[in-house]
Amino acid sequence: QKEVEQNSGPLSVPEGAIASLNCTYSDRGSQSFFWYRQYSGKSPELIMFIYSNGDKEDGRFTAQLNKASQYVSLLIRDSQPSDSATYLCAVKGGSNYKLTFGKGTLLTVNP
Amino acid sequence: NAGVTQTPKFQVLKTGQSMTLQCAQDMNHNSMYWYRQDPGMGLRLIYYSASEGTTDKGEVPNGYNVSRLNKREFSLRLESAAPSQTSVYFCASSELGFAGGPSEEQFFGPGTRLTVL
Repeated sequence: QKEVEQNSGPLSVPEGAIASLNCTYSDRGSQSFFWYRQYSGKSPELIMFIYSNGDKEDGRFTAQLNKASQYVSLLIRDSQPSDSATYLCAVKGGSNYKLTFGKGTLLTVNP
Repeated sequence: NAGVTQTPKFQVLKTGQSMTLQCAQDMNHNSMYWYRQDPGMGLRLIYYSASEGTTDKGEVPNGYNVSRLNKREFSLRLESAAPSQTSVYFCASSELGFAGGPSEEQFFGPGTRLTVL
């Protein structure tokens, strides 16, 4: 059974700060890693995915992957109140290509 | 393009009642999925359909049935609703599913909020 663990939060940061969201996974065969953002009462929407070790940047978002440590993170630079949401880490691959989700981390960015 | 649509948006049932949640996608995707989301539990896969004509169980299939009616539509049926099935249900789709490889994205519908009394 694949497991994906996230800090339950809530995580609170001031506007303009860097928010750091963390995720660990149990299946060493996992191949790709997704970060979804979910606003309250809405459906998840994909922010970015990563499948190679190292960093991947997209605007204010940076995903970091360390397969040896089975760890993936999402950094949000210059955090804005509009970034306040629950962030879901999802893992795919290994024995199949189904997505396994973590429980999510609630982020609040304070003006 | 509407993407993934779900009906109804909200539903209240009494224990023992049955209902069908509808999902449709207009992106010509092969694979479709049903998830439930409970507070503190994240998203859990109920059933999925890798391609038209096929369905398979996910992590929490008990108490549910599905039908892949055609390439566009994938319905989820609760035959005898129980309070434990109170949840938010999300339908999702992806272009190729398992054949699409590890980087393929799933697109989510707006969700159905179901309460079973």
